[in-house]
Amino acid sequence: SQQGEEDPQALSIQEGENATMNCSYKTSINNLQWYRQNSGRGLVHLILIRSNEREKHSGRLRVTLDTSKKSSSLLITASRAADTASYFCATQDPSGGGADGLTFGKGTHLIIQP
Amino acid sequence: DVKVTQSSRYLVKRTGEKVFLECVQDMDHENMFWYRQDPGLGLRLIYFSYDVKMKEKGDIPEGYSVSREKKERFSLILESASTNQTSMYLCASSRPGQGIETQYFGPGTRLLVL
Repeated sequence: SQQGEEDPQALSIQEGENATMNCSYKTSINNLQWYRQNSGRGLVHLILIRSNEREKHSGRLRVTLDTSKKSSSLLITASRAADTASYFCATQDPSGGGADGLTFGKGTHLIIQP
Repeated sequence: DVKVTQSSRYLVKRTGEKVFLECVQDMDHENMFWYRQDPGLGLRLIYFSYDVKMKEKGDIPEGYSVSREKKERFSLILESASTNQTSMYLCASSRPGQGIETQYFGPGTRLLVL
């Protein structure tokens, strides 16, 4: 069942600007992950943040997690045309033990204008 | 690098046909998943498998079955294809560890049922 909800559904910014996407979820989680999907392709894992972490960085990516608000944000700094893609958050149920998959949101479609 | 391959990128079938979608991963992952992705609905889990010959229903298993005879291969079967099964099908695999699940996706199969 769907748990994560990304916001906004679509975002268009100029190259070089920062892009921020948000994800809200409903139940307790073990961790939250962000994936990217280029048009017509499979998803690629970007970054994982555990439930006991508040912020994580990877290159131009910065992820925050607020478990009290059940929300996460993904910040892409100094955006590039190649960042144009759909971005999904995914949560893992702590009772699942890692074997029963992730629950994905519906995604944010990011367009970087040259 | 983990590689997940899917047998076809594009597939066109007629209503009532039996359809096989094949997925192969080369990293000895225990877990394998089949999702379908539709505009506005995001990714929905159809079936998953956590071991050879084991399978579990996901959120939308109706009209589908799966087979996992070998660890590296997970097949999705549409017993009698219908037009509402026109969709993008994504296969993924993972190795559960310490309760954390990062999934690796194949490129997807875009299925059109006429």
